[in-house]
Amino acid sequence: DGGITQSPKYLFRKEGQNVTLSCEQNLNHDAMYWYRQDPGQGLRLIYYSQIVNDFQKGDIAEGYSVSREKKESFPLTVTSAQKNPTAFYLCASSIDWGANQPQHFGDGTRLSIL
Amino acid sequence: GNSVTQMEGPVTLSEEAFLTINCTYTATGYPSLFWYVQYPGEGLQLLLKATKADDKGSNKGFEATYRKETTSFHLEKGSVQVSDSAVYFCALAGNTGKLIFGQGTTLQVKP
Repeated sequence: DGGITQSPKYLFRKEGQNVTLSCEQNLNHDAMYWYRQDPGQGLRLIYYSQIVNDFQKGDIAEGYSVSREKKESFPLTVTSAQKNPTAFYLCASSIDWGANQPQHFGDGTRLSIL
Repeated sequence: GNSVTQMEGPVTLSEEAFLTINCTYTATGYPSLFWYVQYPGEGLQLLLKATKADDKGSNKGFEATYRKETTSFHLEKGSVQVSDSAVYFCALAGNTGKLIFGQGTTLQVKP
């Protein structure tokens, strides 16, 4: 079945540590996205990539970094500069970049601070 | 800028009751509108969408009509089931291609 796989499902970070969240898709989608979800809030866009080897900052990019070296992969690194990283992180993809394209989501990674 | 406002939850209903979750938006131009559903511990799934005024999206007994005159996209279902318990997100995509989400509405359906 085609879909988006996020790993790990749960992740714990120590103070001063960088951690990387994995996102892989086999839908052959060009566009990929990372969102952060906090309790009682909607999703906020961290980074997005319209096509391989390109990515753009979203609304809350500070303290995060990404890469898009392969079409199917869009890993997110939460750096030590992100002072409040505890949240649910969701990766998504769409066929291409456009207003009419629905986004398909993975099952998320829950990040907590030790 | 673009924004989405949803009714606050939680919404608690008995099984077979009628459901309405209100969603209004602010946007320039002609955005596309979406409803997503999130079950506990999972990501979001697309429930339905509408891409132009007066379009009606429908899926699994849910429906919503794109009302440009009232800038609304309310979600309705005639008879809810316990399995419909989830968080529902209204979202819009403007000409930038970015999705803007509402804060989500939790639905609890009791048997």
